[in-house]
Amino acid sequence: AQKVTQAQTEISVVEKEDVTLDCVYETRDTTYYLFWYKQPPSGELVFLIRRNSFDEQNEISGRYSWNFQKSTSSFNFTITASQVVDSAVYFCALSEAGGYSTLTFGKGTMLLVSP
Amino acid sequence: DGGITQSPKYLFRKEGQNVTLSCEQNLNHDAMYWYRQDPGQGLRLIYYSQIVNDFQKGDIAEGYSVSREKKESFPLTVTSAQKNPTAFYLCASSIGGSSSGFNEQFFGPGTRLTVL
Repeated sequence: AQKVTQAQTEISVVEKEDVTLDCVYETRDTTYYLFWYKQPPSGELVFLIRRNSFDEQNEISGRYSWNFQKSTSSFNFTITASQVVDSAVYFCALSEAGGYSTLTFGKGTMLLVSP
Repeated sequence: DGGITQSPKYLFRKEGQNVTLSCEQNLNHDAMYWYRQDPGQGLRLIYYSQIVNDFQKGDIAEGYSVSREKKESFPLTVTSAQKNPTAFYLCASSIGGSSSGFNEQFFGPGTRLTVL
């Protein structure tokens, strides 16, 4: 069975601080996909990144970066120089490979960035 | 613009009534999904459909029903059998699966259902 754990329920930072959101996953598959989504107060989930299990290269997109480590089954997400607009709930998700596999979500981490 | 629409945004229902939530997409995606979100919880899969006229139960299908008569539409009915229907409901779609990988899901704005 698949499982995604986001141990941090809520994180509060002050603007311009860096913050890392942790994600630990469990799967028996050797091929799988990992995702991060952002849910702002409006409620709609916004896709941020997809990473497959064969690609362990870290990725950077502007102020966002992701650190994928298969050895520790982790896919952590770092926001550099956080801004108030980053305040949201962030979800990590996992899917088995191929076909029409479904997503297993973690419970989310609420990030509050104050000015 | 392409996207996923859900209506209504807020829905109130009396106990014992069935209610249908709408989900439409114009992204030409094959697969569609319904999730339920409760406060402080992640998303839980209710039903999903890979293709027209076909759908599968997710983790919490009891008390819900769906149909997929058109590619663009995947309505969800919350029946009176659902014991605790008050929640935020999210619809999503994806291009679908492929032998080469898995495609990300795109989400609609959600419907907040409250049972009075």
